Amino acid sequence: GAGVSQSPSNKVTEKGKDVELRCDPISGHTALYWYRQSLGQGLEFLIYFQGNSAPDKSGLPSDRFSAERTGGSVSTLTIQRTQQEDSAVYLCASSSPGANYGYTFGSGTRLTVV
Amino acid sequence: QKEVEQNSGPLSVPEGAIASLNCTYSDRGSQSFFWYRQYSGKSPELIMFIYSNGDKEDGRFTAQLNKASQYVSLLIRDSQPSDSATYLCAVNLRNYKLTFGKGTLLTVNP
Repeated sequence: GAGVSQSPSNKVTEKGKDVELRCDPISGHTALYWYRQSLGQGLEFLIYFQGNSAPDKSGLPSDRFSAERTGGSVSTLTIQRTQQEDSAVYLCASSSPGANYGYTFGSGTRLTVV
Repeated sequence: QKEVEQNSGPLSVPEGAIASLNCTYSDRGSQSFFWYRQYSGKSPELIMFIYSNGDKEDGRFTAQLNKASQYVSLLIRDSQPSDSATYLCAVNLRNYKLTFGKGTLLTVNP
């Protein structure tokens, strides 16, 4: 696609429920990243996928968080047993080989846990 | 020490003035440096990148990099109210992962 597509744009869920967030990167971009941004906070790295390599999961805050990327394209971020502190905007980004050119971000998913 | 530091602001400048945004980073091995603009309620948008010492100009924007001082800055000339946003500095710390500062809120007053 022309840009990074994320869905849903907004998600309100009850504490304890599982949620899935989807990201469709720019066609041809081999690298895909998930970040989250809490109110008034900076961007927090969560996970990075590059081609067929093992993902860098070093930023996942707990084992309730997981992500997969199928066929080197679409990615799903899953949060199990959501907590109120998971409320944030979850941003997906993709980039082409050669990190000098930065990321292109999607419009994000605003997650609210009530 | 935080990896990427920015003054949170807010930085307020009058329309037409030069806005100067600053960023320092801790890892001397950092390879490339980015400035993103984020409007309220929107996602970050890449506006400049730089990886060599010196200045890089693009329209009203100039990025400046000094690796010896571990310092990168963004100058916005002829500031416009539409430039009002949070500006995020990001640094590539040796791999594909970018580390972001918390951003500086810029307000340009008409």
